Amino acid sequence: GIQVEQSPPDLILQEGANSTLRCNFSDSVNNLQWFHQNPWGQLINLFYIPSGTKQNGRLSATTVATERYSLLYISSSQTTDSGVYFCAVEPDFGNEKLTFGTGTRLTIIP
Amino acid sequence: ETGVTQSPTHLIKTRGQQVTLRCSSQSGHNTVSWYQQALGQGPQFIFQYYREEENGRGNFPPRFSGLQFPNYSSELNVNALELDDSALYLCASSPDRVTEAFFGQGTRLTVV
Repeated sequence: GIQVEQSPPDLILQEGANSTLRCNFSDSVNNLQWFHQNPWGQLINLFYIPSGTKQNGRLSATTVATERYSLLYISSSQTTDSGVYFCAVEPDFGNEKLTFGTGTRLTIIP
Repeated sequence: ETGVTQSPTHLIKTRGQQVTLRCSSQSGHNTVSWYQQALGQGPQFIFQYYREEENGRGNFPPRFSGLQFPNYSSELNVNALELDDSALYLCASSPDRVTEAFFGQGTRLTVV
């Protein structure tokens, strides 16, 4: 099946810093989503971005489908940004549905 | 607009028992998917239902089964519970089979 790798696995930053999270995937996809999992376990939708660039406030994302990667940018980090960020993809072919990466755990220190 | 809701939020069961988890999809969504998330890992796809028919299944044994009802709500049933079934179970709904998925808050199942 499709492989999804996220990097870095852990990231510790001072409040106000910027960060870039990366998601690499092994096959062509027709769906790519970024999620933030809060401490209670809920997955919060950040972006639906199978290709192109989107921005939402301090967050932006870019997916280069032809090179099979996506980037999530967080600017001016706040402590509420702490948590686990997941990338999930759905391949173009086959019966696989959303396949998640192993996540990036982001910790923002005041 | 009501989002995806799951019940119960927490559950403790004994090994060998059976459990049913429930999910109400977001209004206007006809596709429901279920995922299992073990501690420290990413969610793993269990199965998907589209308009009451199973539309894909992950690598889970047959004792994991499901249903989707005419109102597009869904159930996940797990028979003969094992200790390794302890996990957060997440339900997601989407307007169609290959579109943005929206997740509920999850049901945390503990098997003792």
